[in-house]
Amino acid sequence: EVQLVESGGDLVLPGGSLRLSCAASGFTFSSYWMSWVRQAPGKGLEWVANLKGDGSEKYYVDSVKGRFTIARDNAKNQLYLQMNSLKAEDAAVYYCARVRDYWTHAFDVWGRGALVTVSS
Amino acid sequence: DIQVTQSPSSLSASVGDRVTITCRASQRINTYLNWYQQKPGKPPRVVIFAASSLQSGVPPRFIGTGSGTDFSLTITSLQPEDFATYYCQQSHSAPYTFGQGTKLEMK
Repeated sequence: EVQLVESGGDLVLPGGSLRLSCAASGFTFSSYWMSWVRQAPGKGLEWVANLKGDGSEKYYVDSVKGRFTIARDNAKNQLYLQMNSLKAEDAAVYYCARVRDYWTHAFDVWGRGALVTVSS
Repeated sequence: DIQVTQSPSSLSASVGDRVTITCRASQRINTYLNWYQQKPGKPPRVVIFAASSLQSGVPPRFIGTGSGTDFSLTITSLQPEDFATYYCQQSHSAPYTFGQGTKLEMK
């Protein structure tokens, strides 16, 4: 079964750091672009970052550039999101998502999400 | 950045109705447009990719059309399980922006 499972969500102080992980199974992880998509409480979806299968290309939404880093370990089938200098507006459910293929860039497999709360 | 504007933001309909949601991109994006369905407390799931291709396992009552800047998602005969929030997403270039969402509610 194709599956993504996020972990690492927590309550963090403004200015703090957090690392999210996403464990992939049931498919050849290294062959796929992967993304993080977030959803603030009661709000819509926002794409955050994506990373090519071999790790050679990565892209970010402007609001997290310089603060967040997407990474992967293909030997462990893991995707990561290192989040630094967290702000209140970063509070959201963070979903790990598989990119169906580069050209359509549709997110065809999603995890259940990890909740990040940023509050003092 | 490419903006995508979805309408309406909410829609009331009955089982068996035909409904259409539209999405407009701020610049031409060919057919790089995907549609997602999300139910409360669950992750989204893709229903249409590349503007008109039906994702595996999605019933054929979901129809996507459009190219360039104007797109639509039509559900031809609403079923009880279709009441949810729908999002469009442009996949032409990063940042891969989503529309604001359309909440489809039961009348």
